[in-house]
Amino acid sequence: QKEVEQNSGPLSVPEGAIASLNCTYSDRGSQSFFWYRQYSGKSPELIMFIYSNGDKEDGRFTAQLNKASQYVSLLIRDSQPSDSATYLCAVNFLSDAGNNRKLIWGLGTSLGVNP
Amino acid sequence: EAQVTQNPRYLITVTGKKLTVTCSQNMNHEYMSWYRQDPGLGLRQIYYSMNVEVTDKGDVPEGYKVSRKEKRNFPLILESPSPNQTSLYFCASRRMNTEAFFGQGTRLTVV
Repeated sequence: QKEVEQNSGPLSVPEGAIASLNCTYSDRGSQSFFWYRQYSGKSPELIMFIYSNGDKEDGRFTAQLNKASQYVSLLIRDSQPSDSATYLCAVNFLSDAGNNRKLIWGLGTSLGVNP
Repeated sequence: EAQVTQNPRYLITVTGKKLTVTCSQNMNHEYMSWYRQDPGLGLRQIYYSMNVEVTDKGDVPEGYKVSRKEKRNFPLILESPSPNQTSLYFCASRRMNTEAFFGQGTRLTVV
């Protein structure tokens, strides 16, 4: 069973702090990893993707990938109240039939940033 | 503008009355999916399609049908909706191994 796990939260941080969101996955063969943000009742929107081990930075966001330990994390620096949302981790798994790659989604972590 | 368009955004219907939710993408993506999202259960895949005339069941296909006659369109059909299909539905498209682009969502209520 291919799985992606996230702490459901809620995670609460003060404005200006660093928020750290974590995700673990079960398949060592996974090659691509995505972080999405979803506001209540809205569609998920892509924040970052990462394919290689290490860190990838984009503005206030940093994605970190460790394939040996099978985890991917998202750091949000200088957190703002507008960052309050649910953050979804998605991992591209090779299907059991081996003929396509399927996105498996975590349940999401709810983040609240307090002014 | 690259986008995935779903319609309608909101729908209230009665048990047993057939309905179709449309989805269209303008990015020439091969891969399209339908998801439903319920509190505490996350995004669950209903059906997916890897290309024209190629569709397959996802994790929760019961009570749903799909078709992929053209690359850009992937409608979701509920032949006989029931209250347990009340949910928030998303269509998504992507190329293999890349990120998914989502439609705006359809909030369906079956009474």
